[in-house]
Amino acid sequence: AQSVTQLDSQVPVFEEAPVELRCNYSSSVSVYLFWYVQYPNQGLQLLLKYLSGSTLVKGINGFEAEFNKSQTSFHLRKPSVHISDTAEYFCAVNGKQGAQKLVFGQGTRLTINP
Amino acid sequence: DTAVSQTPKYLVTQMGNDKSIKCEQNLGHDTMYWYKQDSKKFLKIMFSYNNKELIINETVPNRFSPKSPDKAHLNLHINSLELGDSAVYFCASSQVGVTNEAFFGQGTRLTVV
Repeated sequence: AQSVTQLDSQVPVFEEAPVELRCNYSSSVSVYLFWYVQYPNQGLQLLLKYLSGSTLVKGINGFEAEFNKSQTSFHLRKPSVHISDTAEYFCAVNGKQGAQKLVFGQGTRLTINP
Repeated sequence: DTAVSQTPKYLVTQMGNDKSIKCEQNLGHDTMYWYKQDSKKFLKIMFSYNNKELIINETVPNRFSPKSPDKAHLNLHINSLELGDSAVYFCASSQVGVTNEAFFGQGTRLTVV
């Protein structure tokens, strides 16, 4: 079984400042890792994913994340945020074995202030 | 073309009624899912189907019955709706063994009054 903990429920940031959204996971098997974004009244859109290989992955809209196996973390970062980045961000894992299902964290509300 | 589409987008109904939500994907994926997002934004899987076969049923009340007529469609029927069923229901699809990422529909906001 897998579980995901997003350490911050809300993160307020000023425009053009850097941001880090933290995600830790627990799993008894190897996992794939994902970050999704949900804009108001919309579905979930994939930002980036880690399947294997380089631990630093780059996604859309200037976001990147680093997989740290020893710390079981997959933190999301962006060097300079924009007003349009205001949204809910979800970290998720999917076990490499067994029935496929995404297990989500509780979400982090990112609010960008001008 | 929308990759994963679900209808309706909004659904307001009275307690005790029966309602259905439909989902279609045109990505050629072999696996489809229903997720529930509660009022606190928490997302949890309800069901998954692989090539029309039920794979996951996550202790969902029997009032919820998924149906997959073919691998491009997955519908969700809910009997005897309760206030606690109010939530946003998301359909998703993926191709297992390829990228393992799920593609989500826009969601159906169900409000039971």
